[in-house]
Amino acid sequence: QKEVEQNSGPLSVPEGAIASLNCTYSDRGSQSFFWYRQYSGKSPELIMFIYSNGDKEDGRFTAQLNKASQYVSLLIRDSQPSDSATYLCAVPPFGYSTLTFGKGTMLLVSP
Amino acid sequence: EAQVTQNPRYLITVTGKKLTVTCSQNMNHEYMSWYRQDPGLGLRQIYYSMNVEVTDKGDVPEGYKVSRKEKRNFPLILESPSPNQTSLYFCASSDSVNNEQFFGPGTRLTVL
Repeated sequence: QKEVEQNSGPLSVPEGAIASLNCTYSDRGSQSFFWYRQYSGKSPELIMFIYSNGDKEDGRFTAQLNKASQYVSLLIRDSQPSDSATYLCAVPPFGYSTLTFGKGTMLLVSP
Repeated sequence: EAQVTQNPRYLITVTGKKLTVTCSQNMNHEYMSWYRQDPGLGLRQIYYSMNVEVTDKGDVPEGYKVSRKEKRNFPLILESPSPNQTSLYFCASSDSVNNEQFFGPGTRLTVL
């Protein structure tokens, strides 16, 4: 069973706040985890990936992975209106060559 | 410029009229895939290819065909389109399923 779950949102935060996006996955063997951002009408673009337990930081973005609890999260610090988009979590199930995406969480950052 | 291209970008057709959506990448990627995106259902993988002449089904392959005769091209074929195939389609390429996927600009298909 290959499932990736995300809250659909919208998640609304004021400008400057921290946005926290969560994703849970069903395959305990999964080893790589991706966060994509998708603006309305555009194609997804990678913003973060993480392979190991713990935190990974890149600028205003931090990905957090907890394999024991089977969740991966994305924190966006100092949120900007330009961060308003849908964020997609993607997880390749272990032993498969397919890629499963969550349905995405819409983030709205208000000025 | 490294990119994935798709054509056409927009297509309106009628039920049963065969169509092909082309996808091409210039990054020498081995892994290519097709996705459809529908409101409330998210991005779902239709077919993928791990290399030339190696293709396999994703989560929603019914009604679609693909081929991989060359490394750079991965066309999506709808032999007899139906209205439930109205969707936004994305092609993507990568070194592997465990690496970043590079997406094309999308093809919006409407089947009447």
